[in-house]
Order: sequence, then structure tokens, then C-alpha cells
Amino acid sequence: QKEVEQDPGPLSVPEGAIVSLNCTYSNSAFQYFMWYRQYSRKGPELLMYTYSSGNKEDGRFTAQVDKSSKYISLFIRDSQPSDSATYLCAMSLAGGTSYGKLTFGQGTILTVHP
Amino acid sequence: DVKVTQSSRYLVKRTGEKVFLECVQDMDHENMFWYRQDPGLGLRLIYFSYDVKMKEKGDIPEGYSVSREKKERFSLILESASTNQTSMYLCASRNRGSANYGYTFGSGTRLTVV
Repeated sequence: QKEVEQDPGPLSVPEGAIVSLNCTYSNSAFQYFMWYRQYSRKGPELLMYTYSSGNKEDGRFTAQVDKSSKYISLFIRDSQPSDSATYLCAMSLAGGTSYGKLTFGQGTILTVHP
Repeated sequence: DVKVTQSSRYLVKRTGEKVFLECVQDMDHENMFWYRQDPGLGLRLIYFSYDVKMKEKGDIPEGYSVSREKKERFSLILESASTNQTSMYLCASRNRGSANYGYTFGSGTRLTVV
């Protein structure tokens, strides 16, 4: 079993739809949770960051963390064609010898149709 | 903005060749990482370095080695390239004191071994 599981999709939605992307994980010691966006032929870029449980909102994007269920989500409101990309969840331990090592999900390919 | 530059976007090498992938960052980051990205598997950590001349094995180090002689440069070496090392290779760096554990990625090197 992978430490972080993410449905690879692909996911195809019409413009304006609400998109929900999810990851589950098995290591209860993860404390930092991130979402990266990766456009075709580019490296991933940090989109959202959350520490421990709770919600965080940034414009059309909302990240949720439910540590009791070991489940994280990214919601995209009013999705746009420019949101078409691969979305990767990532998580990290709190410190010690982890040196900021991230464990990634497989990535979900999202296409938003005009 | 931090820039992480990978020397080649595309490489084609023959089986058995020794291959060098170079990565340079310009923001004095202590931590640097090499990942490979494969469809359905996400990003997997090969090696990382938490400072100059330091290196640690990641999750899949077999067949690879690294070198970090200068803080800004982190090299990945494929000792004897094999076809199962055909992949997208991503370099990343991170400020050790960063509160968000976020990485900055390069644009990747797509390596094909024939």
C-alpha cells in the first residue's frame, strides 16, 4: 500500500464547475500538507499549504485537511480552462531528520473544457 | 523568484552509458532533491542533500549516485543507464528555514534510454 493515495483520474469538467480533488494517507505523523499544480512540460509549483487539520482558502481554491480520517481535499470553484493541469498532493513530517522530505500522491490529471 | 535550472530538457542516451543530470539553484538554498516522475507512480525521491557535500538516499536510490560539491549545484549520476531509467527527472530546492516546507522545482529533464 502506498503511503499516499490519489486517484489519477483523468477528470474532465465543464468550465465553471466545482472540482474536488482528494488524497488519503496512512502515516498519522504527517503534519504539513501541500497541493502542487503541474502544467504540461513544467515542474510542479506550490499551490496551497496547510499545517495540521483545518481549512485554508486562497481565491477560488480551498484546501481541507481531516487528520482524524487521514484525508485531504482541494476544491476549485468556478473552474477555468487555465486550471487544466496535473494536481499533486504532498505531505511531510514535522521535523527531526525529515529535512523537509515530501511524500507525493500519484497526481490527478484535470481538464476543464470551455 | 528562486530559479532552479536543469541543464537539459530532453536527453537520449544508450544503455550502459554514464549519464550526468545537472541542477543549479540561485537562492542559496541548503536542501536539494532529485525525484523521478512516472505515470501512475507520481514523484519518487531518489536522493537528497541537506547541505554541501551531504547526501542521503531517498526511496529509490538503486542505480543512481549524486554529487554536491557546491551549494548551488546538485548532480544526479546514472552509473550505467538502463531502459527502466527512462523517466522525467525533477530537481528541487528548499530553504531549510522555510516555514512552509515548499519546494521550488526545475522544469525537468526527460531522459530516454535506448
